[in-house]
Amino acid sequence: GAGVSQSPRYKVAKRGQDVALRCDPISGHVSLFWYQQALGQGPEFLTYFQNEAQLDKSGLPSDRFFAERPEGSVSTLKIQRTQQEDSAVYLCASSPSRPGSGNTIYFGEGSWLTVV
Amino acid sequence: GNSVTQMEGPVTLSEEAFLTINCTYTATGYPSLFWYVQYPGEGLQLLLKATKADDKGSNKGFEATYRKETTSFHLEKGSVQVSDSAVYFCALSEEDDKIIFGKGTRLHILP
Repeated sequence: GAGVSQSPRYKVAKRGQDVALRCDPISGHVSLFWYQQALGQGPEFLTYFQNEAQLDKSGLPSDRFFAERPEGSVSTLKIQRTQQEDSAVYLCASSPSRPGSGNTIYFGEGSWLTVV
Repeated sequence: GNSVTQMEGPVTLSEEAFLTINCTYTATGYPSLFWYVQYPGEGLQLLLKATKADDKGSNKGFEATYRKETTSFHLEKGSVQVSDSAVYFCALSEEDDKIIFGKGTRLHILP
């Protein structure tokens, strides 16, 4: 596709429910990032993939959060046993190359998660 | 650790006014600096960037200069338009491409 595509755009989950958020990066992009953006805050880094390898997951807030990119393209962020504090916009971003200072990173429109 | 601090909003200006949004950073190395913009209902978009000291990034009439001596990357525009109303994020990244964002500054431009 022309840009980074995320689905669902909006998700309401009951507390304790599991959710899965999908990201389709720009075709051929090597690097893929997930960010969490709480209301009124800047995005915060969750995890990073280079192709299918998850090279950095230091930002995942708890072991209820899990991300995968099994074939090096589409990625899924899974949140188990959702809690109210998980309510946020989850942003996916991709970059055409391996990390190097100043690479342009392209963001999707985000998946808005509300936990009730 | 690395961090970005930007002025809190909201900032409200009249059309054609001069805009400055301050941004300072803390970094262990030599980061690249960015301004991202988020228009209502849209995703984050890169507005401009600078990759080394004294570089000036510019786009759509916006400018920011990478000042290593003051660790700053202030965003400026000489004459704002209503269509510039958005949330602006200052950000940095080092060689791992992990972007660290400021908290964002909401800008309202009145006609």
